[in-house]
Amino acid sequence: NAGVTQTPKFQVLKTGQSMTLQCAQDMNHNSMYWYRQDPGMGLRLIYYSASEGTTDKGEVPNGYNVSRLNKREFSLRLESAAPSQTSVYFCASKAGPQETQYFGPGTRLLVL
Amino acid sequence: RKEVEQDPGPFNVPEGATVAFNCTYSNSASQSFFWYRQDCRKEPKLLMSVYSSGNEDGRFTAQLNRASQYISLLIRDSKLSDSATYLCVVDFTGGSYIPTFGRGTSLIVHP
Repeated sequence: NAGVTQTPKFQVLKTGQSMTLQCAQDMNHNSMYWYRQDPGMGLRLIYYSASEGTTDKGEVPNGYNVSRLNKREFSLRLESAAPSQTSVYFCASKAGPQETQYFGPGTRLLVL
Repeated sequence: RKEVEQDPGPFNVPEGATVAFNCTYSNSASQSFFWYRQDCRKEPKLLMSVYSSGNEDGRFTAQLNRASQYISLLIRDSKLSDSATYLCVVDFTGGSYIPTFGRGTSLIVHP
């Protein structure tokens, strides 16, 4: 099992460019999450999908959109990147409420 | 007030020392509790779940105090490889799908 995979690992964008961060899990988990982590800050939830077909905003959704493509895949899109979106992005999944959450290796994004 | 609070540290300890971290949570309806470990520039990984009766995994012991609303992590015989950030995670009741993370406690174990 690969667990949770994320692509790309690194990305540099110019302000105003768009991109999609990909996430996939092979653990048959129902719930998937996107977080960002900035230096000195904890994990902040951007969006989550409790189950296939649903998505909800987290703590910091502005500037992002998500798609739960199927049970395995949950993508995060930046339509018009801004320097404030420079961060490390983690995707995570878990089977259900109060279950263990598993994280992908992260995508390091730099917006110039 | 943040729902899950941790002392950010850093805790600077010599090899072989015993160190303990606490984490307080504000929602008394909390149901599930976890400690995660995060190495520099890596993803968080589950260290251990925390059960009501307390639990131990090798050198690591986790305890839950529901009355005072905190969980603790005790590390005995610290190793250099224990240097990391330790994240406290709380899942609230009611079928919540969103675990709440503390900001983490930094541990540095030196020779």
